Amino acid sequence: DAGVIQSPRHEVTEMGQEVTLRCKPISGHNSLFWYRQTMMRGLELLIYFNNNVPIDDSGMPEDRFSAKMPNASFSTLKIQPSEPRDSAVYFCASSRTSGGTGELFFGEGSRLTVL
Amino acid sequence: AQSVTQPDIHITVSEGASLELRCNYSYGATPYLFWYVQSPGQGLQLLLKYFSGDTLVQGIKGFEAEFKRSQSSFNLRKPSVHWSDAAEYFCAVGRFGNEKLTFGTGTRLTIIP
Repeated sequence: DAGVIQSPRHEVTEMGQEVTLRCKPISGHNSLFWYRQTMMRGLELLIYFNNNVPIDDSGMPEDRFSAKMPNASFSTLKIQPSEPRDSAVYFCASSRTSGGTGELFFGEGSRLTVL
Repeated sequence: AQSVTQPDIHITVSEGASLELRCNYSYGATPYLFWYVQSPGQGLQLLLKYFSGDTLVQGIKGFEAEFKRSQSSFNLRKPSVHWSDAAEYFCAVGRFGNEKLTFGTGTRLTIIP
């Protein structure tokens, strides 16, 4: 089975530009998570979905960040406008859960650099 | 609120030596505990997990961890490390009925010949 697929793997953009990161979770998984990893703050949960519905977005830094999951096989994380402090590696993870805490399967990440 | 502390930012171990990475958690009830490994440029991969039962859990790549409720710890061990074990290791805590995991800040493991 294919794992969690993220695109792009690397993105370099200029401040003020819109950035869209994409994620395809593992087929059959019903939960999807977006994490951000930086040297300063480590691994932070931004938002997670269960059955395509956002459950907790308390980790989303500010209104410039938005996430959608239009169907069970696709999610996007959008930053508009982007700022240099958004530079980080963004991970998508999915899991199959039914009330308990399941194992998270991570994608390889999208490394974002905002100049 | 649940939290995880990994007190060691960086550990250097000789190849063939034993390894122990520390993890302390804070949570009121029985936690779900995880260890993940991240190789450079890669995502996180699950090494092992503890939900209940036997407090000594075995994982992949020869790793094991022991849950000690009295010490609020879930330390990761390996009797003999290999150069390929060089990576960053993350401890995480969760709870039943909530899919959110809280990760520690990670421990970077360097292996020297």
